[in-house]
Amino acid sequence: EAAVTQSPRNKVAVTGGKVTLSCNQTNNHNNMYWYRQDTGHGLRLIHYSYGAGSTEKGDIPDGYKASRPSQENFSLILELATPSQTSVYFCASGVSWGGYEQYFGPGTRLTVL
Amino acid sequence: QQKVQQSPESLIVPEGGMASLNCTSSDRNVDYFWWYRQHSGKSPKMLMSIFSNGEKEEGRFTVHLNKASLHTSLHIRDSQPSDSALYLCAASYTNAYKVIFGKGTHLHVLP
Repeated sequence: EAAVTQSPRNKVAVTGGKVTLSCNQTNNHNNMYWYRQDTGHGLRLIHYSYGAGSTEKGDIPDGYKASRPSQENFSLILELATPSQTSVYFCASGVSWGGYEQYFGPGTRLTVL
Repeated sequence: QQKVQQSPESLIVPEGGMASLNCTSSDRNVDYFWWYRQHSGKSPKMLMSIFSNGEKEEGRFTVHLNKASLHTSLHIRDSQPSDSALYLCAASYTNAYKVIFGKGTHLHVLP
């Protein structure tokens, strides 16, 4: 079965601090995604990637950066964390666009104080 | 920007009953619809997908698609308490290179 892991699973950060969320997939999928999930908003796409070295802005990229150093790894970086970025973050991978499902990691619960 | 609207926001059905969930795309260039299920505290997992008009059945789950009205629906018969979850509808669009998720329907199946 497709495997996507995330670390850390829980994180408490201070306002203005730097936070890095990591994602690893062993599916050899080209595409990877970062979403945040908040009550009343569903899943919103922050950044995505077509493959190693590529990152693209999603629907809500402000305040976030992404890095895809290899096929397996995709990181989400909050350079200056704010309380509004308190959320649950999901990483996902997929073969490609179109008719291919996405496989989600277990999520990271981030609290910014 | 494409949007995916789901209704109702919340649904309560008795055990053994039928649950019907709806999803509509705001953009006609939709290619595929998916239904994901997310149990509390867990990650979303794909339940079913559909891309052509008609109906698709897998066990207790049936998905309908009407491309003319950009509407898909998920029907769960003989609902079980274990079906209680957030159901997310997602759609992909021609040349959009991403998938748009709706806000979800919270399904509660009462024993």
